Amino acid sequence: GQQLNQSPQSMFIQEGEDVSMNCTSSSIFNTWLWYKQDPGEGPVLLIALYKAGELTSNGRLTAQFGITRKDSFLNISASIPSDVGIYFCAVYDYGGSQGNLIFGKGTKLSVKP
Amino acid sequence: SAVISQKPSRDICQRGTSLTIQCQVDSQVTMMFWYRQQPGQSLTLIATANQGSEATYESGFVIDKFPISRPNLTFSTLTVSNMSPEDSSIYLCSARTFLGNTQYFGPGTRLTVL
Repeated sequence: GQQLNQSPQSMFIQEGEDVSMNCTSSSIFNTWLWYKQDPGEGPVLLIALYKAGELTSNGRLTAQFGITRKDSFLNISASIPSDVGIYFCAVYDYGGSQGNLIFGKGTKLSVKP
Repeated sequence: SAVISQKPSRDICQRGTSLTIQCQVDSQVTMMFWYRQQPGQSLTLIATANQGSEATYESGFVIDKFPISRPNLTFSTLTVSNMSPEDSSIYLCSARTFLGNTQYFGPGTRLTVL
């Protein structure tokens, strides 16, 4: 099946730092989504990207849909402790008829000790 | 948007028993899905719950093990049958809205099988 490669797998943040993560694929996708999952919760949609080259912001979060439609990045500016969690990229895979949402393996953000 | 609730939020079950998880959405949605998330892993799609007909299962998941119902546009159930410790996982309900084709997730049901 389709695979999304997320990097980094994990990172430590210090309050106030900017954070960047990305997601790549060998295939073209027309919608890219970024979710955040807190411990014990379901994923929450942060940003949805529908157009190649699109740059979208949601507060301190900024995401871009790569022009090749094979990648996306998510930036978090001036991180705060509640940014800790797992961030997943996701795409709709229309290899079947309905478009199943498939996920990357996630980037885990933790607070720097 | 869609707000999704699941019951139970967690359970501890004995091997060989079955558990039914309920999913309720606060508005009518076009599609409902069930995912599994094993500890420290990403989400894997189990099946699409189809209203009034049999669910569509992904490779590696079968109806006898994971029977699913969807009697209307806002409710679905997933049963984990004849459980074994390998079924210990988080089970997540998800729904896609009519407008914007956006997909939302419930809080999950954390299942532990002893």
